[in-house]
Amino acid sequence: SQQGEEDPQALSIQEGENATMNCSYKTSINNLQWYRQNSGRGLVHLILIRSNEREKHSGRLRVTLDTSKKSSSLLITASRAADTASYFCAPPDTGTASKLTFGTGTRLQVTL
Amino acid sequence: GAGVSQSPSNKVTEKGKDVELRCDPISGHTALYWYRQRLGQGLEFLIYFQGNSAPDKSGLPSDRFSAERTGESVSTLTIQRTQQEDSAVYLCASSLDHIEAVKYFGPGTRLTVT
Repeated sequence: SQQGEEDPQALSIQEGENATMNCSYKTSINNLQWYRQNSGRGLVHLILIRSNEREKHSGRLRVTLDTSKKSSSLLITASRAADTASYFCAPPDTGTASKLTFGTGTRLQVTL
Repeated sequence: GAGVSQSPSNKVTEKGKDVELRCDPISGHTALYWYRQRLGQGLEFLIYFQGNSAPDKSGLPSDRFSAERTGESVSTLTIQRTQQEDSAVYLCASSLDHIEAVKYFGPGTRLTVT
């Protein structure tokens, strides 16, 4: 079944720097969502990018999608300590389209 | 309610006991999902509800795990004869049921089996 795989597994940067996280998936998709998780609790939706979009912005977030490479990236610009969290990409499942599958995420640490 | 709620927030139980975890989805959300997250791991899909039927229960790890949902409302995940490997955070999410629907997650129930 479909599953997003994030890379790197962990990323440590200083406040003000940019953070880039990558995601790869296996089969064709109609869209891909990114989520954030603080302290091992509930996930929060960040952004959705459709398969006919190559790039999308939301505040300090920029998401790209390359369907030919089956990959996506999430860029956080001018990072803040509050951005410290785990980030997950979530492509739709191949079987149940509304179901999302999650990988292990990228753990981002932003230090002062 | 304003968001997805789960109860209890924490549960400590002895090996072999049964536990029930509850999820209250956002009103009007037809789809409901249960995930499990072990410490330092990703989210593991358990079961998906559309209304009160479960078209995808492929992620339930064993017959000790079961779930039900009342209409388009509350869902209960039951784990019988708990084992130590069941220790994890159990996350519930709800959404409208279409491919682009945003999933709204509850805060999770942290289950510890001693």
